[in-house]
Amino acid sequence: TQLLEQSPQFLSIQEGENLTVYCNSSSVFSSLQWYRQEPGEGPVLLVTVVTGGEVKKLKRLTFQFGDARKDSSLHITAAQPGDTGLYLCAGAGAGSYQLTFGKGTKLSVIP
Amino acid sequence: KAGVTQTPRYLIKTRGQQVTLSCSPISGHRSVSWYQQTPGQGLQFLFEYFSETQRNKGNFPGRFSGRQFSNSRSEMNVSTLELGDSALYLCASSLAPAGNTGELFFGEGSRLTVL
Repeated sequence: TQLLEQSPQFLSIQEGENLTVYCNSSSVFSSLQWYRQEPGEGPVLLVTVVTGGEVKKLKRLTFQFGDARKDSSLHITAAQPGDTGLYLCAGAGAGSYQLTFGKGTKLSVIP
Repeated sequence: KAGVTQTPRYLIKTRGQQVTLSCSPISGHRSVSWYQQTPGQGLQFLFEYFSETQRNKGNFPGRFSGRQFSNSRSEMNVSTLELGDSALYLCASSLAPAGNTGELFFGEGSRLTVL
């Protein structure tokens, strides 16, 4: 069974601060996705990373896939209240049609 | 285009009852996946259907079942409900089979409370 561990589980920061969320596994993933879920809604895809060492930027969000494709990180610069939500990472194993989700990091950005 | 639609949004059942949840995927999407989300366990994979065939199944008891129709709409059923089945049930659709680096489009979920 492939497991994805996310840390921290909860994060409360002031507006304007930077933060990093981690997603780690002992398994290799062929691809990894990051989703954000807001209360009362389903998760929405932010990014997909496929290549080891890949870095993708989405405005103030920077995503990195580890060289060994076992871990990933999400860095947010100058967090804003609109960034508040549950951040989920999800990995697909090689040849698998099943996405494994981490339990998520609940982020609160205080104005 | 219309997103993924799940019905009902909220429902309350008692132990021992059964429940059927419905999911209409985005038009053209042939893959539908179901997840159970709870605060303690996060999102756990239930099953995935592609072109009416169950392609993958998670580690849930046989009380959890599903099916997909020719129009790609999907239903999941939980029989003999237990208190621990209280959760948000999320449906996601995608063009390609889930896990194929394709994006999953989630519905808003059906929140089930078992009393």
